[in-house]
Amino acid sequence: RKEVEQDPGPFNVPEGATVAFNCTYSNSASQSFFWYRQDCRKEPKLLMSVYSSGNEDGRFTAQLNRASQYISLLIRDSKLSDSATYLCVVSFNAGNNRKLIWGLGTSLAVNP
Amino acid sequence: DTEVTQTPKHLVMGMTNKKSLKCEQHMGHRAMYWYKQKAKKPPELMFVYSYEKLSINESVPSRFSPECPNSSLLNLHLHALQPEDSALYLCASSQADRAKGLGLNTEAFFGQGTRLTVV
Repeated sequence: RKEVEQDPGPFNVPEGATVAFNCTYSNSASQSFFWYRQDCRKEPKLLMSVYSSGNEDGRFTAQLNRASQYISLLIRDSKLSDSATYLCVVSFNAGNNRKLIWGLGTSLAVNP
Repeated sequence: DTEVTQTPKHLVMGMTNKKSLKCEQHMGHRAMYWYKQKAKKPPELMFVYSYEKLSINESVPSRFSPECPNSSLLNLHLHALQPEDSALYLCASSQADRAKGLGLNTEAFFGQGTRLTVV
């Protein structure tokens, strides 16, 4: 089983749609969770950290379910500019360091 | 706008060349990273420096040699690369947490990357 798994997509949705991505992780000792966004041929950029209580930033809502070991990202009222790859990132302690494990990413295309 | 600056943005080098990638950040972060990213893959960790000391080397071949001259700069020296080393090389930085005995925090900020082609 992969440490972090995401549906690669692509998700093709019309403008204004609501779309949700899930990400599952295998290490129950994982401590921190993030969603990054990466545009084609650009660097990844932090979209949201994911907290146990869930968090919302405008049209974006992230949730964490530790019992089932998954995190989710909900995008409401999709815009054309939301088209990108969304990467799920999980961190846990490895000896005296923390390691980041990246999912393969979910591709989103928002169509006019 | 990124606060992590990488140079050059593009690099083409022969297999016998020696070149260096540079990364600079002025956010006061004490952890800096090199990642390699191939097309349609997530970033793959290469090296981590924590408080200017090499903290993680993910079994990277010796033809890649990192250097951290000070807390703001990170270099990656390249020598005798292979065509399969062609990729986007990303530098990142984050806060570090020495007080807790853990070298690294995990929210990382990335530079725009150097797109490397080895011919």
